[in-house]
Amino acid sequence: QVQLVQSGAEVKKPGASVKVSCKASGYTFTSYDINWVRQATGQGLEWMGWMNPNSGNTGYAQKFQGRVTMTRNTSISTAYMELSSLRSEDTAVYYCARGEQWDLDYWGQGTLVTVSS
Amino acid sequence: DIQMTQSPSSVSASVGDRVTITCQASQGISSWLAWYQQKPGKAPKLLIYAASSLQSGVPSRFSGSGSGTDFTLTISSLQPEDFATYYCQQANSFPPTFGPGTKVDIK
Repeated sequence: QVQLVQSGAEVKKPGASVKVSCKASGYTFTSYDINWVRQATGQGLEWMGWMNPNSGNTGYAQKFQGRVTMTRNTSISTAYMELSSLRSEDTAVYYCARGEQWDLDYWGQGTLVTVSS
Repeated sequence: DIQMTQSPSSVSASVGDRVTITCQASQGISSWLAWYQQKPGKAPKLLIYAASSLQSGVPSRFSGSGSGTDFTLTISSLQPEDFATYYCQQANSFPPTFGPGTKVDIK
């Protein structure tokens, strides 16, 4: 069965960076895009960007341009999302999700990133 | 970016009720619309894609309709496990964008 398993919760100080991993199993990792979506507590869903694991091509929402980097290691079927220059407003649950076009059919369990001094 | 709106923002309903949620896009998106269900503390779950196609494993009481700018998600007979927040998302153009969500709770 398709599974996306994310890394554990993180606590970071303002200005630091965080790197969240997303390990895929149950399908061919390079055949589907990986998207990243975040959700602040009590808020809605915010799409951050996508990556094609086959080519490594990426596309980021303008809001995160310059601060986010999405990469992958195909040998271990794992995608990564790194967000830099963290501020308190980045405190949220970060999800990876498999994409067929822009339809997100399988999601990771989420990773809570807390930014606090 | 395409803006998505949803109404109502919340609805109180009883088990067995028919519930309808609407979603509007700020410009035409053909049928490139998905619906997700999210329960507290859980990841969203894809229910409907391409406006009206039921994702595998999703009960048939869920249905979607619409095209262009106006879309509807209908739950024909609300079940206890359906109390959740529902989001629409346009899949027509970059960047994909979500609606603000509709919370379905118990009357």
